[in-house]
Amino acid sequence: QVQLVESGGGVVQPGTSLRLSCEASGFSFRSFGMHWVRQAPGKGLEWVALISYDAGNHQYIDSVKGRFTISRDNSKNTLYLQMNSLRTEDTAVYYCTRGAKEFDYWGQGTLVAVSS
Amino acid sequence: EIVMTQSPATLSVSPGERATLSCRASQTVSSNLAWYQQKPGQAPRLLIYGASTRATGIPARFSGGGSGTEFTLTISSLQSEDFAVYYCQQYENWPRTFGQGTKVENK
Repeated sequence: QVQLVESGGGVVQPGTSLRLSCEASGFSFRSFGMHWVRQAPGKGLEWVALISYDAGNHQYIDSVKGRFTISRDNSKNTLYLQMNSLRTEDTAVYYCTRGAKEFDYWGQGTLVAVSS
Repeated sequence: EIVMTQSPATLSVSPGERATLSCRASQTVSSNLAWYQQKPGQAPRLLIYGASTRATGIPARFSGGGSGTEFTLTISSLQSEDFAVYYCQQYENWPRTFGQGTKVENK
C-alpha cells in the first residue's frame, strides 16, 4: 500500500536551517508529482511547494521563495524540503503528499518548531 | 492567488442528519476542486476530487457538487465518524489554495 513517511522535524532557532525528508513506498515514486503542505498549530492547511515527477517543474508559495528548496531522489524514493532562514511563522506540521492535481495520499507529518 | 472561502465555520449536526458545506472561489476553478476530511491528530484524507468524484473507499453518503466558483459537499446521513474538519482546495492555478475549513460538530 502507498506509504509516505516524513522525518527531520525538530525545534530550531530563527535563522537556522532544517532539511525534511519523505520516504515513499508502495507506488512508482518516479511517476508522481509530490508536494509539501503545512499546518500551523490550530490553523488550516497551507500548500508550500511542488516538484514534478521528473524534477523539471518547481512551484513555491511566495512566503518561502528563496528560502525553501524542494527536491527529490527518484533512486531513493525520497522527497526533500531544504528550509533555510527559518522564521517563527514557519512553525507547523509539514506533510508530504502525492498528486498531479488533487492530493490523494498524505504522510503523518513532521513538526517543525521555530523558536528562540 | 485564488482565495477559497468556506461556510459556515462551524456546523452543528446530529447523527443521521444531512450536512451541507459550502466553498466559494474568488475566480473560476472550473471543476478543479477537491475536498478533504481531517480528524484531530491525523493527516487530511481525500474525499472528493474533480468537484464531484468520490475518492477510493469513500462512502456514498459523501457527495460533491458545483463548478466554476460555487461548490458544495453534502453528507447525506451523518455518522459519528464524520465529525471532523473539512477543507476545500483548488488545483486550477498556482499557488494551490485551501479554504479555512468547516468544523462539523455534534449538536
